[in-house]
Parts: sequence; C-alpha cells; structure tokens
Amino acid sequence: AQKITQTQPGMFVQEKEAVTLDCTYDTSDQSYGLFWYKQPSSGEMIFLIYQGSYDEQNATEGRYSLNFQKARKSANLVISASQLGDSAMYFCAMREGYSGGGADGLTFGKGTHLIIQP
Amino acid sequence: AAGVIQSPRHLIKEKRETATLKCYPIPRHDTVYWYQQGPGQDPQFLISFYEKMQSDKGSIPDRFSAQQFSDYHSELNMSSLELGDSALYFCASKRAGGRETQYFGPGTRLLVL
Repeated sequence: AQKITQTQPGMFVQEKEAVTLDCTYDTSDQSYGLFWYKQPSSGEMIFLIYQGSYDEQNATEGRYSLNFQKARKSANLVISASQLGDSAMYFCAMREGYSGGGADGLTFGKGTHLIIQP
Repeated sequence: AAGVIQSPRHLIKEKRETATLKCYPIPRHDTVYWYQQGPGQDPQFLISFYEKMQSDKGSIPDRFSAQQFSDYHSELNMSSLELGDSALYFCASKRAGGRETQYFGPGTRLLVL
C-alpha cells in the first residue's frame, strides 16, 4: 500500500487564486512527521512546511498552510494568493516513528505538478 | 544562510564504472541522508547517518556504499554503474534534536552511458 498518496498528478490554477494540494498518508505509528517540498524545473528540493503528529495547531509558513486532519490521515497543502513562481512539482513526504536522535528517511508521494496561469 | 553542498553537480560515467558523490551538510548538522530521484519519479531514500554511524537504510543497492566522516561530510560510493543508476542524487541534512526538517542540497545529476 502507498504510504503517501497524492491524487492530483497535475493542476492548472489562475494567478492569485488559492490552491489546495491533496495528500493522504498511511502509518500505524503514533509519532510521525509530515512535510511538503517544492521542486521547480531547475531540480532543487525546497522545504515548505512541516507538521508533527502531536501538533495541535495547523502549521503555517507565510503563504503556505497545512490542513492537518489526523483522523482522516490527510495533510493538504494550501497556498494562498498563488503566484507565477509557484509553478513547480510539489511533494508530500512522511517521516515515521520517533525521530529523536535517529535519522529516519522520508517517504515521498508521487507529486503534484502545479501550473499557475496568468 | 549556509546550505548543503554537493559535488560534483553533474557527472557522466560509462557502464561498469565507479562514481563518488560528496555531501557537505549545513554547519552544526550531524545527520545526513541520501536520496535518489529517477527521471519523473519521486525521491527514494537510500541511507542515512547520525554522528558518523549508519542510522537508517532504505532502498540502497548492494553496489552502493556510503559513510560519514569526522567532519560530518558524507560520501556515496557507487560501483558497477548501470544505465538505471542515471538519476538526481540528493543529500539532505538536519541537526538531531533540532528542527525536524531535512534540508536538501542542490543534487548531483548522474548520467550513465
């Protein structure tokens, strides 16, 4: 079974509109972390936002917010007031288990290719 | 702010050759991760190190090995290269006990001919 599912392979959105990118996850761990990364066509992986499983508040970072619904195992990324520069591939990822001093690798979803149209 | 440094940025090799990729983590970061991203694919976790010890292992082929050195930089050694090893190889780092976030380097683009 997929650990991370991103159901939108591609999305076209008008500039200045808000965007929601879907992500559902599957884990039996109580402690886990969820991440969103942006990958422009140039290839680098840019960290956007993080949500811990025990965090009660939804994470926010500037124009990015994470809509965390634990019971539904979803962690959707919301981008407010989209800009042309937001056009990129977006990956949802999960770190399972207790991190502490450990170094658990991330499991990524297949990604959503977002294109912002003027 | 200082970022993760990877070298080389681009590498072209022939089949059956060897390659060594280097990663210099963000200063004071003691944990390093390696990921492989094939064309049009999501990144796949290969291996990680914490305080110079292997910490977690993902889908790293037996032909690959890695280590972390006393200055926390890491090297990924790849032998008997195959066409399918052509990919973007990322190194990421974080500081254990600090923020959860893994910060990625710019990647090394490996092409095996």
